[in-house]
Amino acid sequence: AQKVTQAQTEISVVEKEDVTLDCVYETRDTTYYLFWYKQPPSGELVFLIRRNSFDEQNEISGRYSWNFQKSTSSFNFTITASQVVDSAVYFCALYTGGGNKLTFGTGTQLKVEL
Amino acid sequence: DVKVTQSSRYLVKRTGEKVFLECVQDMDHENMFWYRQDPGLGLRLIYFSYDVKMKEKGDIPEGYSVSREKKERFSLILESASTNQTSMYLCASSLHPGTGVGQYFGPGTRLTVT
Repeated sequence: AQKVTQAQTEISVVEKEDVTLDCVYETRDTTYYLFWYKQPPSGELVFLIRRNSFDEQNEISGRYSWNFQKSTSSFNFTITASQVVDSAVYFCALYTGGGNKLTFGTGTQLKVEL
Repeated sequence: DVKVTQSSRYLVKRTGEKVFLECVQDMDHENMFWYRQDPGLGLRLIYFSYDVKMKEKGDIPEGYSVSREKKERFSLILESASTNQTSMYLCASSLHPGTGVGQYFGPGTRLTVT
């Protein structure tokens, strides 16, 4: 069975601080995909990144970066120099090919304050 | 601009009422999903559909049914609403979940059952 764990329920930081959101996954499949989504207060989940299991390269996109480590089954997300607009719930998700479903973590609420 | 739309952003219903939540996507996707989102529990899959008139139970189907008569429309039905069905309901659609953005989400319907 697949499982995604986001152990951090809520994180509060002050603007300009760096923050890392943790994601640990479990699967026995060798081919899988990992995702991060952002859910702002408006409610709609917004795609941030997709990574397949054969690509362990870290990715940077502006202030966002992702660290994928198969050895620890982790796919962590770092926001550098956080801003108030980063305040949202962030979800990590896993797809392994069984059916057409994503398995979601429980989400991390990030609050960035002035 | 791709879109998943949901019929209502906010809905208040009484216990015992039959409730319909509608979702429409304009991307010609085969797969459509209904989730509920509750604090601390993340996104839980209620039902999904991989084709017209096809449906499969998700993790928490009890108390719900679905209908997919047309490819673009996926309806969630609460046959007899109860207070424990007060929640945020999110609809999503996708092609193959391992590609692109995984799933596209609607803005959500916040349902209150009194």
